[in-house]
Amino acid sequence: EVQLLESGGGLVQPGGSLRLSCAASGFTFSSYAMTWVRQGPGKGLEWVSGISRTGGSRYYADSVKGRFTISRDNSKNTLYLQMNSLRAEDTAVYYCAKDRGILVRGVFDPWGQGTLVTVSS
Amino acid sequence: DIQLTQSPSSLSASVGDRVTITCQASQDIPNYLNWYQQKQGKVPKLLIYDVSNLETGVPSRFSGSGSGTDFTFTISSLQPEDIATYYCQQYDNLPLFGQGTKLEIK
Repeated sequence: EVQLLESGGGLVQPGGSLRLSCAASGFTFSSYAMTWVRQGPGKGLEWVSGISRTGGSRYYADSVKGRFTISRDNSKNTLYLQMNSLRAEDTAVYYCAKDRGILVRGVFDPWGQGTLVTVSS
Repeated sequence: DIQLTQSPSSLSASVGDRVTITCQASQDIPNYLNWYQQKQGKVPKLLIYDVSNLETGVPSRFSGSGSGTDFTFTISSLQPEDIATYYCQQYDNLPLFGQGTKLEIK
């Protein structure tokens, strides 16, 4: 069974940093692209970032470009999201999801349970 | 940048009703269009990928159609367990979700 378990969320002050992790199991992690999607309180889904299976290709939404960095460690079956210069509008539940392709194709299944990031002073 | 317009934003229907949600892209996105279901307090779930392909285990009352810029998601006979918010999502360029449609029972 595919499992994705996010961690690293919490309360951080504006301008601060946080690193999210997503531990994967139940599939060959190194064979698939991965992605991060977030959902603000009471809001819809927003794609944040995606990474190819090797990590050689990385993509970002304009809202996080230059502040967030996606990475992966295929030896540890783990996906990361380094978030810097955090803003109140980054407050959301952050989900990691497995992509269907080796590149960032855009078919996301399954999703992890999510980790809450709250940016507030 | 591609824009996605999903409508309606909310919908109230009776059990057994046929329900339709539309998703319009600002430019041609071939078949790069998926539909997700998110029940209250739960994780999003992929229902339909590439316009009309039903995920394994998803009931056949769910279907998708369309091409180019106009796409439709249909529930042929609404069941109580279908109460959720539904999102379209395109991936012709960077992935982008529609605004969501909150479906309620009348």
